[in-house]
Amino acid sequence: SQWGEENLQALSIQEGEDVTMNCSYKTYTTVVQWYRQKSGKGPAQLILIRSNEREKRSGRLRATLDTSSQSSSLSITGTLATDTAVYFCATAGSFNKLTFGAGTRLAVCP
Amino acid sequence: GGIITQTPKFLIGQEGQKLTLKCQQNFNHDTMYWYRQDSGKGLRLIYYSITENDLQKGDLSEGYDASREKKSSFSLTVTSAQKNEMAVFLCASSIWGQGPSNERLFFGHGTKLSVL
Repeated sequence: SQWGEENLQALSIQEGEDVTMNCSYKTYTTVVQWYRQKSGKGPAQLILIRSNEREKRSGRLRATLDTSSQSSSLSITGTLATDTAVYFCATAGSFNKLTFGAGTRLAVCP
Repeated sequence: GGIITQTPKFLIGQEGQKLTLKCQQNFNHDTMYWYRQDSGKGLRLIYYSITENDLQKGDLSEGYDASREKKSSFSLTVTSAQKNEMAVFLCASSIWGQGPSNERLFFGHGTKLSVL
């Protein structure tokens, strides 16, 4: 498997708090993408970070990539109840296609 | 903007039955994908297609067939449903030629399969 963590992780926080979610991968990748999946919907891309970038920001989101430790993180500042979702990281896997980790289930309580 | 439509939303089958899931996209994207999502697990690639009539196997193709009848549609067939199987099947599309370093997948809402 490509992933350091095979099973879905879960976090529960209060609205307004900041949160960081991590993912670790086993095989070198040129890119990490983060997706968010809300209940009953398909995943939607949030951020793409390449191996030559250490950090990428988009609004309240910040992604980091550490190729030496083969890990990436996604931080959300000032969370809202609407941020409640499952967050996946995805890397370039076999067939040169995206492979998705198990994800983190984030619950933001109002 | 475009949309990916998956039908049906829910599918209940019997053990051994052949079941077909359908996907339509109006992005005019070249590449389409089928992923399987099991509860608490990551998405696993079943099949993908880079153009009309093309089919490429993914990590989980055994037990499935796929068909890309035209650029806008991609169907997946479960050849023999397994008893107590439960999963969500997600269809996605992207513009061909970009690869994971640039690629952005657009997903449908999924078909939830339950096998009795």
